[in-house]
Amino acid sequence: QQQVKQSPQSLIVQKGGISIINCAYENTAFDYFPWYQQFPGKGPALLIAIRPDVSEKKEGRFTISFNKSAKQFSLHIMDSQPGDSATYFCAASIQYNFNKFYFGSGTKLNVKP
Amino acid sequence: DAGITQSPRHKVTETGTPVTLRCHQTENHRYMYWYRQDPGHGLRLIHYSYGVKDTDKGEVSDGYSVSRSKTEDFLLTLESATSSQTSVYFCAISESTGSHEQFFGPGTRLTVL
Repeated sequence: QQQVKQSPQSLIVQKGGISIINCAYENTAFDYFPWYQQFPGKGPALLIAIRPDVSEKKEGRFTISFNKSAKQFSLHIMDSQPGDSATYFCAASIQYNFNKFYFGSGTKLNVKP
Repeated sequence: DAGITQSPRHKVTETGTPVTLRCHQTENHRYMYWYRQDPGHGLRLIHYSYGVKDTDKGEVSDGYSVSRSKTEDFLLTLESATSSQTSVYFCAISESTGSHEQFFGPGTRLTVL
């Protein structure tokens, strides 16, 4: 039983467009929601993260939208660039449960020039 | 990669043989984790450690064991490798539960024939 469900599995966006990736969770005890970016042959790297006490967090072209009542959160990439082509993972964790991460299944983003 | 190395980076082995993967950190972080990454499953936690000699099971621990005799080293052992354990294995570290962020190593690609 996957604790974090992610969609879509793959996404193709034109350069300059908006990329949107969605995640949903069931466990209301989760208190940290990061997004990781992974390039081929590399380990995942933290992109942006949010806690459930805020509804939105923005860092440059990347924004997390968080809907606590719906138990959903999403990543928006504005003005998508070919260099953003990578696999993106959402995750969730409980701070005082050894910070164990539960990951979504990943979204492979391809930004076409 | 935040002072994390994994060895070996690539390994091909045969079914039934023992395999040990090593994760080494230079950050003196307390928490260490082993994940496996498979298409369609994202990253799944195998085992984690919250201190020297303190370890516990994750989501997919069957067939794996771990040891942590020093803060900087976390070993993952496949006692008798099976083809279903063909995967990419990532080690991650976290300073404390308060900081939340996990830093990932470069990964080990393991093929079991």
